[in-house]
Amino acid sequence: DTGVSQDPRHKITKRGQNVTFRCDPISEHNRLYWYRQTLGQGPEFLTYFQNEAQLEKSRLLSDRFSAERPKGSFSTLEIQRTEQGDSAMYLCASSSLAGRGDEKLFFGSGTQLSVL
Amino acid sequence: AQSVTQLDSQVPVFEEAPVELRCNYSSSVSVYLFWYVQYPNQGLQLLLKYLSGSTLVKGINGFEAEFNKSQTSFHLRKPSVHISDTAEYFCAVSVIQGAQKLVFGQGTRLTINP
Repeated sequence: DTGVSQDPRHKITKRGQNVTFRCDPISEHNRLYWYRQTLGQGPEFLTYFQNEAQLEKSRLLSDRFSAERPKGSFSTLEIQRTEQGDSAMYLCASSSLAGRGDEKLFFGSGTQLSVL
Repeated sequence: AQSVTQLDSQVPVFEEAPVELRCNYSSSVSVYLFWYVQYPNQGLQLLLKYLSGSTLVKGINGFEAEFNKSQTSFHLRKPSVHISDTAEYFCAVSVIQGAQKLVFGQGTRLTINP
């Protein structure tokens, strides 16, 4: 169990540029979640996948955001035309759906995005 | 919709003293309750969770929490803290049905002084 890994750890970009983050979940975990955490706040749910299917998207996820999990393994989160308000820590979590209520999320260390 | 309020943004305590981190939640449907800890430069780690049954839940690192349905609270306690407990603590809820889309509180920064 190597844990959930996220790449890069830090990303600095200029307003208007596109950025892409990657998340590698724990092997064989079928659910993958994306959360966003701004300074001084708790994480907020963005979207989740079950295998390769994106089953839900939060209203926080504007049209500039897109997430994929093409083969049900790693996932990417892309932000187009970044804005300063996108500056945040983007967290990925994965889980193995063992049964109702028994789902345990394992979080990565996150990607810190700074938009200048 | 669900919401979580952590009543203290910062809690300073001395080493070996007891601590309580307070959490209140609001939900029109039944929820599961969680406490997560975030150490500097690390991912969130589950401390404990309440699904059903006994209202006193024991977790890792000597932490425990008590679910109080009438007061809609889920306070986290530890009888004697250690320097290594310095971290950010998050209370969270998720609805029982479906995926574990957590709704987090704002966090409480626990600082342990020697």
